[in-house]
Amino acid sequence: AQSVSQHNHHVILSEAASLELGCNYSYGGTVNLFWYVQYPGQHLQLLLKYFSGDPLVKGIKGFEAEFIKSKFSFNLRKPSVQWSDTAEYFCAVNPYGNNRLAFGKGNQVVVIP
Amino acid sequence: DGGITQSPKYLFRKEGQNVTLSCEQNLNHDAMYWYRQDPGQGLRLIYYSQIVNDFQKGDIAEGYSVSREKKESFPLTVTSAQKNPTAFYLCASSSKGGGNHPNTEAFFGQGTRLTVV
Repeated sequence: AQSVSQHNHHVILSEAASLELGCNYSYGGTVNLFWYVQYPGQHLQLLLKYFSGDPLVKGIKGFEAEFIKSKFSFNLRKPSVQWSDTAEYFCAVNPYGNNRLAFGKGNQVVVIP
Repeated sequence: DGGITQSPKYLFRKEGQNVTLSCEQNLNHDAMYWYRQDPGQGLRLIYYSQIVNDFQKGDIAEGYSVSREKKESFPLTVTSAQKNPTAFYLCASSSKGGGNHPNTEAFFGQGTRLTVV
């Protein structure tokens, strides 16, 4: 079964700082890639997704992610965070045609005003 | 409104009892999933189903059982064999993907918090 790795589980940064969260997966075939966000007390919602085409995808709230196939990575970035970006972020991988949707352990991000 | 409904939101059970968590979707999705969310563990896959009358074990299936008799419904039973059942359980559904419709974005319910005492 595929696995998804997210490092640096806890991230603390100040407003206006840049954010980058790493995501690596282990699966040799074609995959669909996702980043989900869970704000405090709320349910999971989609930030962005990649299926094919341009490996740089833009999502909601100024987030973007880059798929690097050779590195099996799908890192999430935001140039300038806000206090409202405080949340837990999850990377997810769905092998094409398999539907065994797997998640990483998440990154707890705290933005200090 | 289209979406996924999990019920109940909170559930309390005595140790040794089986309990069934409900998950219903009206998104016409083929694939459905059950995850368990624990602090620092992310979402761990319990079971998933790609089509009616078929399902596969995920990473932590021991002590759980599911059925998929209808496309809209994917109930999860937490049995007395599950050693640590107290957790937050999330149900999701997605299109199966493939062909000209590769989008397998998963939509989530609000979750059920199960507490076993």
